[in-house]
Order: sequence, then structure tokens, then C-alpha cells
Amino acid sequence: DSGVTQTPKHLITATGQRVTLRCSPRSGDLSVYWYQQSLDQGLQFLIQYYNGEERAKGNILERFSAQQFPDLHSELNLSSLELGDSALYFCASSVWPGWAQETQYFGPGTRLLVL
Amino acid sequence: DQQVKQNSPSLSVQEGRISILNCDYTNSMFDYFLWYKKYPAEGPTFLISISSIKDKNEDGRFTVFLNKSAKHLSLHIVPSQPGDSAVYFCAARDRGSTLGRLYFGRGTQLTVWP
Repeated sequence: DSGVTQTPKHLITATGQRVTLRCSPRSGDLSVYWYQQSLDQGLQFLIQYYNGEERAKGNILERFSAQQFPDLHSELNLSSLELGDSALYFCASSVWPGWAQETQYFGPGTRLLVL
Repeated sequence: DQQVKQNSPSLSVQEGRISILNCDYTNSMFDYFLWYKKYPAEGPTFLISISSIKDKNEDGRFTVFLNKSAKHLSLHIVPSQPGDSAVYFCAARDRGSTLGRLYFGRGTQLTVWP
């Protein structure tokens, strides 16, 4: 158990809908990262938050957004869903992104299926 | 643009033998490398890491080797056990970035058979 929790574990929805994925980082971690893993793909970095502020954006679509709340949990919002958005979404956390040898710890993921 | 590449999607090894998983990278600014292991229906689990100031790091049965001139790293598992069967991801961090994002390869499925 990494200490990172994600809910829900599975999500099935229809095209055009909107969903929210939730992540709670490890105790003491201030930085949260979101990654997407599609079929046969590596983990693609989406977005990073540090202590409530957005710090970096990767391959995140404009239909997707995220935020980190004062209690440090984070939510990833996916809207106008398309079939191609079906994937595993992972959240990871770390203490501080500026540390040279930081390690990110991953949650169990949310499997999203868009029908 | 895949900056971290794992060119072998799968590897099959007999129990007790050595497993060698390879990873290549293209960005010379990468200074910290990690290996993660992933079982089905679970998130990636941190396994071992190496800083670019070293060329080897060992932790029990797991050893990571880094060849900076070749931009290549490898993970050695000795001896391999059936419980090691999982997908292994190589990841790298850019020293030019303080943001901490990791670049991942596509993973190698390791199967250890009895």
C-alpha cells in the first residue's frame, strides 16, 4: 500500500458525459501528479499540483481540468467524454518536486470506460 | 516524442535465472532514473532508482546499471522468481526541471516461469 488513495476504482459512463476522479496523497506529500495510461501506452503525464497550485502541464486535453484543495486532495475532471478517453488514470504524490532524488508514489488508479 | 524507450514489450525467463530489462533515453538532461513494477489492477510500485552520478545501485535481488555515454540503463533481477512477473516501467527525471515530472517508457512485461 503506497498510501495514495484514488476513488472510484472503476467508472463506466457514456460519451459526452462528465466525470470526476479523486485522489488523496500520502500523508505529508504536497505534490500531486496525474497520469493517463491508455492501452499499450506508457504513463502519460497530464498535470501537476504543488500545495494547491498548478505547477506543470503535460499532454492534458482542454476538456480535462484538475485542482488541488486546501486539504491537499486533488480532483481530475474529465468532460465531453469520448471513446478514446477510456484509460487508466493514476494519481501520484511526492513530498516536494524540487528535490533531486524524489520518488513518486502511485495510487491504485481509476479505470474509466466510456461507452 | 518518446524520450524514454523500452524496446522489448515482453521478456520470459525461467525461475532462478537472471532477468535483464533494458531502457534507453534520448534526453541528456535526465539525471535521475527509476524503475517501477506494476501488477494488474494495481498502481505502479517504486522498485529502485539511480542518480546520474552513479553507475550502479543495488537493492537485494535488484540492481540497476546506468551507462550515461550510451544513454542506457538496465535492471537486473537475480535470481528471478515467479512473483516478479509484472510490467516494469523505466522512468526518468529532467534535471533542468524543478517540477518533478517523470517521463515513462511503455513498459516491459516480465514473465518468470517455474
